[in-house]
Amino acid sequence: QLHLVESGGGVVQPGRSLRLSCAGSGFTFGRFGIHWVRQAPGKGLEWVGVIWYDGSKGEYGDSVKGRFTISRDNSKNTVYLQMNNLRADDTAVYYCARDYREIVVSYYFDYWGQGALVTVSS
Amino acid sequence: EIVLTQSPLSLPVTPGEPASISCRSSQSLLFSNARNYLHWYLQKPGQSPQLLIYLGSNRASGVPDRFSGSGSGTDFTLKISRVEAEDVGVYFCMQTVQTPPTFGGGTKVDIK
Repeated sequence: QLHLVESGGGVVQPGRSLRLSCAGSGFTFGRFGIHWVRQAPGKGLEWVGVIWYDGSKGEYGDSVKGRFTISRDNSKNTVYLQMNNLRADDTAVYYCARDYREIVVSYYFDYWGQGALVTVSS
Repeated sequence: EIVLTQSPLSLPVTPGEPASISCRSSQSLLFSNARNYLHWYLQKPGQSPQLLIYLGSNRASGVPDRFSGSGSGTDFTLKISRVEAEDVGVYFCMQTVQTPPTFGGGTKVDIK
């Protein structure tokens, strides 16, 4: 059965850094792009970014560009979201999600993790 | 970026009755390949979102056939032919014709 599991969430002070992990299982991890999507408390969904299946390319939403970096280690079936210079408005549940298509990034997703809560507060 | 507007914001439904949700886009989601890059998700209470419909009208794997998607260009509709209790939650539309992908604000469906 296919699973995506996020970890690494927690409380962090403004300006500090945090790294989330997304571990995949039940599918050929290295053939799929992985996205990060976040949901602020009581709010809608916001696309954070994506990393290509082989880690060769990443794309980011404007609100996190230059502060967040997505990377992956396919030998560990894991994608990382490095979040630097965190702000209060980065507070959200962060989901990783598998791109619908193999190899090609379609930008829509079929499987999501359960989410990791990141709270940015002093 | 493309703005998606969903209506209604809240939809009380009666089990066994049909339900319909609208999603309107600020720009056409119809690509040159004749596909509409509009997708529907359901986020059940306490769960992560699940894909219902992709590319406007294609049901995702395992999605009951009471769910259907229609529309083209800027106007789209998600229909539930006969609502069941397990269909409660927040429904989101999402576009991927242009990056960044953007989501509608959501429609909360609950039982009357």
